[in-house]
Amino acid sequence: QQPVQSPQAVILREGEDAVINCSSSKALYSVHWYRQKHGEAPVFLMILLKGGEQKGHEKISASFNEKKQQSSLYLTASQLSYSGTYFCGTGDYGGSQGNLIFGKGTKLSVKP
Amino acid sequence: GAGVSQSPSNKVTEKGKDVELRCDPISGHTALYWYRQSLGQGLEFLIYFQGNSAPDKSGLPSDRFSAERTGGSVSTLTIQRTQQEDSAVYLCASSHGSGSYNEQFFGPGTRLTVL
Repeated sequence: QQPVQSPQAVILREGEDAVINCSSSKALYSVHWYRQKHGEAPVFLMILLKGGEQKGHEKISASFNEKKQQSSLYLTASQLSYSGTYFCGTGDYGGSQGNLIFGKGTKLSVKP
Repeated sequence: GAGVSQSPSNKVTEKGKDVELRCDPISGHTALYWYRQSLGQGLEFLIYFQGNSAPDKSGLPSDRFSAERTGGSVSTLTIQRTQQEDSAVYLCASSHGSGSYNEQFFGPGTRLTVL
């Protein structure tokens, strides 16, 4: 089942903060975050695994609440380069090992 | 090193024709994925290959879609009797080990337009 992302879109001024949420109706063992700029391929940001392990870029912050089956991506002191569409992908216990289901994305626009 | 490559970058075809899309994963990556992305939509999972295991085809939308991976490397996604609703960007990704636990590296995609 596709995870739900919120908000669908957000507009920021440079330096402002944003939080993007991802929630699933299924028990999760992993959550991935990717950013896609217009006309480009998605680029990896972070993986959060059940049990607390995280892999990703040092400047990116995220949380994974296993009990609530939710993850949040925190973008602080936003820069123009943060603009793009952010996707979460979830690995759940009901799905095939290795398979991710992606949300519809959150479009982030950072203005000068 | 070289990333994931896909060819062609753009494909325009007529309704009813067959098309083949190619993906060259990063050397040594055991997992390979195909996704479809329609305009303004998310990434729709199509099929997943992991090593020598049977592929997970659960995301293929119809029997007109098929994919194979030869020698654990190059993969081809075939769409038979294309329909206008097949128009989308088809993305390939690879990962070292399971893509649930490891970063997926995406290719630039093939933009398919069915007239």
